[in-house]
Amino acid sequence: QQPVQSPQAVILREGEDAVINCSSSKALYSVHWYRQKHGEAPVFLMILLKGGEQKGHDKISASFNEKKQQSSLYLTASQLSYSGTYFCGTGFVGDGNKLVFGAGTILRVKS
Amino acid sequence: DAGVIQSPRHEVTEMGQEVTLRCKPISGHNSLFWYRQTMMRGLELLIYFNNNVPIDDSGMPEDRFSAKMPNASFSTLKIQPSEPRDSAVYFCASSFRYRLDIQYFGAGTRLSVL
Repeated sequence: QQPVQSPQAVILREGEDAVINCSSSKALYSVHWYRQKHGEAPVFLMILLKGGEQKGHDKISASFNEKKQQSSLYLTASQLSYSGTYFCGTGFVGDGNKLVFGAGTILRVKS
Repeated sequence: DAGVIQSPRHEVTEMGQEVTLRCKPISGHNSLFWYRQTMMRGLELLIYFNNNVPIDDSGMPEDRFSAKMPNASFSTLKIQPSEPRDSAVYFCASSFRYRLDIQYFGAGTRLSVL
């Protein structure tokens, strides 16, 4: 039931783009994206609901493909501050606000 | 505004001892979550409450773990007796709504059981 995230890790140079994917074997109702910096708590980025909508703010956006049961997080023109581990949390119908988190994708942005 | 407050930040104890972790959710939030994070298992949900009532405790690993929420502003996670494999970072999170809402995480408690 744990969603599968890919890639496991990625290294970028400042200004490069990245895509992080999150796939579920179970029908999704919502996908929540969080970023965690080393030694800190996870911090919310955005929520997507089934319906295929795309959300974003600044240079980070995400999409939700209901048919494929997957979500993708897009980081555009990456900055050093984007470094961290990105987690997707998946929500299912009838489970309230319960989330099942993926194993995470480690993103490192180099200058 | 104060965020989710957890205490202690670090706990070192010996195997067999009782450990109590504490959490104060954001005022006005109705749902509270306890997570455990390890390198091997990632971020796992242990239990969550809605309006102080436990809704799903299927993630609690075994009977040594228990959680309570006596009121809207306080929750505890207790491990008795503790074992070395319980070593992890334990996060508490809270959200305002019961569904489809942002979860705000506390800074976590790093537990080491020797």
